[in-house]
Amino acid sequence: AQKVTQAQTEISVVEKEDVTLDCVYETRDTTYYLFWYKQPPSGELVFLIRRNSFDEQNEISGRYSWNFQKSTSSFNFTITASQVVDSAVYFCALNRDDKIIFGKGTRLHILP
Amino acid sequence: NAGVTQTPKFQVLKTGQSMTLQCAQDMNHEYMSWYRQDPGMGLRLIHYSVGAGITDQGEVPNGYNVSRSTTEDFPLRLLSAAPSQTSVYFCASSYSTPGELFFGEGSRLTVL
Repeated sequence: AQKVTQAQTEISVVEKEDVTLDCVYETRDTTYYLFWYKQPPSGELVFLIRRNSFDEQNEISGRYSWNFQKSTSSFNFTITASQVVDSAVYFCALNRDDKIIFGKGTRLHILP
Repeated sequence: NAGVTQTPKFQVLKTGQSMTLQCAQDMNHEYMSWYRQDPGMGLRLIHYSVGAGITDQGEVPNGYNVSRSTTEDFPLRLLSAAPSQTSVYFCASSYSTPGELFFGEGSRLTVL
């Protein structure tokens, strides 16, 4: 069955440090999509990235980067030079047919 | 530019009461879904719809009904509220699946 595991429940780092959020998934599908979403303290859910299973290239967007490794079933998210505004809950998600299944999230605290 | 609109934002119910959470989107998205968010549990899919007239169950459908008579609207009905349904509910839509989900602001429901 499809499953998303975010083993890190809560992480605290000091501002300007780099931080990596782990995401491990299980799926029997050969074609699938992975996602990351951000939920800041204000509560809204914001889409960050979608990656399909055929594209294993790492992606970089500003201070954000994503490392997709099919061999280890991982889709990790790194924030470089973290800022206080990065404090949020981050969710990794995986599709199962038409359903998008979320992990339990990692709460990230960036300390000034 | 409304996006996904949920009403009400807050609601308190007594056990056994019924209510409907409304969700409307103005982006002409075919795909709509409902999630509930509970502390430590992430986002769990309740029901989803891939188009008008089509609905299906998610991970935690018990106690909830949905219908999709139009592309724009996807109401979530609680037939007989229970304290276990105390949660924050999010409606989301997407142009296609599995695509980027656009979320509403959430509805906080308390069942006493």
